[in-house]
Amino acid sequence: GNSVTQMEGPVTLSEEAFLTINCTYTATGYPSLFWYVQYPGEGLQLLLKATKADDKGSNKGFEATYRKETTSFHLEKGSVQVSDSAVYFCALLGGSEKLVFGKGTKLTVNP
Amino acid sequence: NAGVTQTPKFRVLKTGQSMTLLCAQDMNHEYMYWYRQDPGMGLRLIHYSVGEGTTAKGEVPDGYNVSRLKKQNFLLGLESAAPSQTSVYFCASETLSGSPRDEQFFGPGTRLTVL
Repeated sequence: GNSVTQMEGPVTLSEEAFLTINCTYTATGYPSLFWYVQYPGEGLQLLLKATKADDKGSNKGFEATYRKETTSFHLEKGSVQVSDSAVYFCALLGGSEKLVFGKGTKLTVNP
Repeated sequence: NAGVTQTPKFRVLKTGQSMTLLCAQDMNHEYMYWYRQDPGMGLRLIHYSVGEGTTAKGEVPDGYNVSRLKKQNFLLGLESAAPSQTSVYFCASETLSGSPRDEQFFGPGTRLTVL
């Protein structure tokens, strides 16, 4: 079945630092890939998505590129802010399979 | 649009009590899902529905029942609550988009504590 392996945290950075959260997947066919973000005390929100190979999803300064050759969808941001502190989930959705989540990476950004 | 809403937001139960969590969506989505979120476990699928009147088991269905009598509502029931069911419960919905699949929209969550 489909699976997602996500970099385990927690990750602590200083404001304006560069962020990378690694995500790799196993799937048959051509799944859609997502990054969801969960701010403290809230539900999950879609951060960005990509539905085919070489697509780049982007939102709020975050980017991730769908790399089929390396089965990866790493999340990056060039300069993080304190307001980016949250838990980030990589997820995969394909065909008739249900949404499969990574275990989440907690990011804390210090001023 | 309110999106996906969940009722209640918080609840404390005693072991053996029953309760129903309500999820409602106003986006006319066909698919609806119930997840639970536990520390270090990510989100795990409890039950899901691909349309009105249909339900199916997910990864962790034991101890829960669901019903989808109306397209916009998806109910999650606990018949006899156990401390192991202490968790945060999220509902989600998704439109029937074929391929490629599109995003799921999540509710704000229900925090349940079973004593």
